[in-house]
Amino acid sequence: GAVVSQHPSRVICKSGTSVKIECRSLDFQATTMFWYRQFPKQSLMLMATSNEGSKATYEQGVEKDKFLINHASLTLSTLTVTSAHPEDSSFYICSASERGNTDTQYFGPGTRLTVL
Amino acid sequence: QQPVQSPQAVILREGEDAVINCSSSKALYSVHWYRQKHGEAPVFLMILLKGGEQKGHEKISASFNEKKQQSSLYLTASQLSYSGTYFCGTEFYGGSQGNLIFGKGTKLSVKP
Repeated sequence: GAVVSQHPSRVICKSGTSVKIECRSLDFQATTMFWYRQFPKQSLMLMATSNEGSKATYEQGVEKDKFLINHASLTLSTLTVTSAHPEDSSFYICSASERGNTDTQYFGPGTRLTVL
Repeated sequence: QQPVQSPQAVILREGEDAVINCSSSKALYSVHWYRQKHGEAPVFLMILLKGGEQKGHEKISASFNEKKQQSSLYLTASQLSYSGTYFCGTEFYGGSQGNLIFGKGTKLSVKP
């Protein structure tokens, strides 16, 4: 149980384009989903927290107009990187907490974004 | 606010033991431990919620010293599969629930 999927696993795009990453909880309802970014050989940095049906809460320094988060249902959250630039290239990982068990976060497999 | 992990890296022979520490300058509500293999997402190991709590997962266990604001991860009789980077994620009292602040990681390499 407690499986989280992400799609796509890898994406390469040109500078200026927008990229959407999906995060799904496959066998549980996720009231809260988290989005992290990890640069090579660095730790995971929390970008934002999204709760189903409400606006995401962004961490300091994360541009909410650039990283659009939508948590439309209890099993799906999306992160859209708008007008991506090479410095946005990173490993984006989502995690989800199960309703009634918010202490444990289950991570998706991650999405490797490369912006040319 | 970022917890401090030590050591930064450790190399072991199969069968040897290791301890990874995670210290915080702020009072901790919980500590989460993850292992990440290269190119993959982190995998949840365990969560410690109460001071003095100890948990075990086969030959991997952890303790949480609330007073010292630190947690330690113990790997005994290490196996090759234990190789990876270990992260502690911390929640602070007064912070938003679920917001984990991760340490920089400890890279563990287990050699045959």
